[in-house]
Formats: sequence, structure tokens, C-alpha cells
Amino acid sequence: AQSVTQLDSQVPVFEEAPVELRCNYSSSVSVYLFWYVQYPNQGLQLLLKYLSGSTLVKGINGFEAEFNKSQTSFHLRKPSVHISDTAEYFCAVRGYNAGNMLTFGGGTRLMVKP
Amino acid sequence: EAGVAQSPRYKIIEKRQSVAFWCNPISGHATLYWYQQILGQGPKLLIQFQNNGVVDDSQLPKDRFSAERLKGVDSTLKIQPAKLEDSAVYLCASSLAGTANTEAFFGQGTRLTVV
Repeated sequence: AQSVTQLDSQVPVFEEAPVELRCNYSSSVSVYLFWYVQYPNQGLQLLLKYLSGSTLVKGINGFEAEFNKSQTSFHLRKPSVHISDTAEYFCAVRGYNAGNMLTFGGGTRLMVKP
Repeated sequence: EAGVAQSPRYKIIEKRQSVAFWCNPISGHATLYWYQQILGQGPKLLIQFQNNGVVDDSQLPKDRFSAERLKGVDSTLKIQPAKLEDSAVYLCASSLAGTANTEAFFGQGTRLTVV
């Protein structure tokens, strides 16, 4: 079984400042890792994913994330945020042989202030 | 390319009533998922279909929840009878195949309020 912990439920930040949203996971098997974004009253949209290869992955809207196997982390970063980045962000994992079940963390609300 | 369609967008019912949600996945997607997202929490998988067969329904409260995907395309999720704690957003998602590295595409969800 897998579990995902997003350490911060809310992250307030000023516009144009950098941001990091933290994600740690627990799994007895190797996993694929994902970050999704959810805007108000919308479904989830994939930001980026780590499947294999380079541990630094780049996604849409200027976001990137780094997979750290030894620390079982997959933190999301953006060097300069915009007001439009205000949303809920979810980290998710799926075991290689987990029957394709995607397990989500509790989410982090990013609040970008002018 | 059309996305995952869900209806209705919003539903308010009284406890002990029944309710049904509908999902039309992206054309050609064999795998369909239903998730429950309670306010302030991440989505939780309720059931996963591969074509018209159930792959995983271990977290579906089967005493009151049911789901079907009869022709391997559209799906319905039903709750009967509803409880107050069923208030949540119900998200439908689909993916091309049931492998772990395949992206799941989500619909906008149905927000259920049980009063």
C-alpha cells in the first residue's frame, strides 16, 4: 500500500516570490509520482509526472519537481509565482504493480497575494 | 479532444434519499475511475473499471454505493440511501489503459450536498 503526506495544508506567498510545496510518500514498492492542480470548481489537471530517468521533471506553467528516492520526497517548486497560480495542489503516487490505483495526498492550498 | 463529461454539476438531496451521477469518459479510454473528494481532503478512489469489468472496488461502501459501466463506455454511480457524510465532490476520471504510468484525465466533478 502507498500513502502520501503533504506537509503544508496552506502556503501563502507574495506574487513573484519562489514557492516550494512539499510531498513525502511511503510505499513498499517502486512508484510513479504525479502532481495535479485543482482550480476552484474544476477537476484535477496534471502538472507533471515522474516515471523514470532524470529526477528533475518539468511541467506546465513553469512548475518543476525533484524526485528524491532516499528521502521519499517529490517536492514541487516554482521560481516566481503569479496570482493565477492560486489553487489546490495534490501530490499522488501509484505503485508499479498497484492495480493502477492512484493515491492522493491531502492537498496544499497555494494562496498568491499581490 | 472532448474531456471527461459529468452531470449533474451540483445536487442537493435530503438524507435517506437516493442520487445518481453520470460520467462519459474520453473516447477510446478503457479505464474509468470514480473518486470521492471530501472538503479539505484529497480524492479517494471508490471504484475502477477496465472496459465494463471492475478492477478495484475495495473502498466502495457497497451497502449504499453502486456503480456500473454496462457497455464499457458511460458509467453511473448511485448512492442509496444517502447519509450526511456522503457530502462531497464525486470525480470521474479516465485513462487510455490500465497501466500505472498512464495519465488519468478528470472531469469537473459533481458536488453533492446531503442535508
